[in-house]
Amino acid sequence: AQSVTQPDIHITVSEGASLELRCNYSYGATPYLFWYVQSPGQGLQLLLKYFSGDTLVQGIKGFEAEFKRSQSSFNLRKPSVHWSDAAEYFCAVGGGPGGYNKLIFGAGTRLAVHP
Amino acid sequence: NAGVTQTPKFQVLKTGQSMTLQCAQDMNHEYMSWYRQDPGMGLRLIHYSVGAGITDQGEVPNGYNVSRSTTEDFPLRLLSAAPSQTSVYFCASRLDGTTRYNEQFFGPGTRLTVL
Repeated sequence: AQSVTQPDIHITVSEGASLELRCNYSYGATPYLFWYVQSPGQGLQLLLKYFSGDTLVQGIKGFEAEFKRSQSSFNLRKPSVHWSDAAEYFCAVGGGPGGYNKLIFGAGTRLAVHP
Repeated sequence: NAGVTQTPKFQVLKTGQSMTLQCAQDMNHEYMSWYRQDPGMGLRLIHYSVGAGITDQGEVPNGYNVSRSTTEDFPLRLLSAAPSQTSVYFCASRLDGTTRYNEQFFGPGTRLTVL
């Protein structure tokens, strides 16, 4: 069965520091992978997605993620965090029969940014 | 373009009451879905629809009904509310539910408390 693990529930970084949020997935074939961000009281916004091709994908707001098949990982990175990046981040996987219509989400990582 | 709208934003129910959460989109999207978000569990798919008149179950469908009579609207019905249904509910839509994935747009959510 498909699953997504985000090992870090909470992460705190200082403004200007680099960031890496971890995501590991379990899936039998090449997955479709996504990162979403949720600001407090808001819905989810898509940051970036991976379908195929270049394993380093660029997203909005200066985020990028790297797909590593050998490690079943899709970690999200940002070189310099801004206070406005404080939010909750969700990794999701989809694909396979019916997979276009069924995303499996991780539990989320809540990011706090110190000034 | 209002995107995906949900009403109400907040709702408190007593056990056994019924209610309908409303979801509408004005982007002419074929695919619509409902998720619930619980702490530490990410988002879980309740029901989805790939077009008017077509619905299917997601990961956690028990206790919920849906119908899709128009492209724009996808209401979620709680027939007899239970405390276990206390959650934040998100509606989402995307252009096409039958082929390659395209971006899913989320509504702002409905926070439901069942006493």
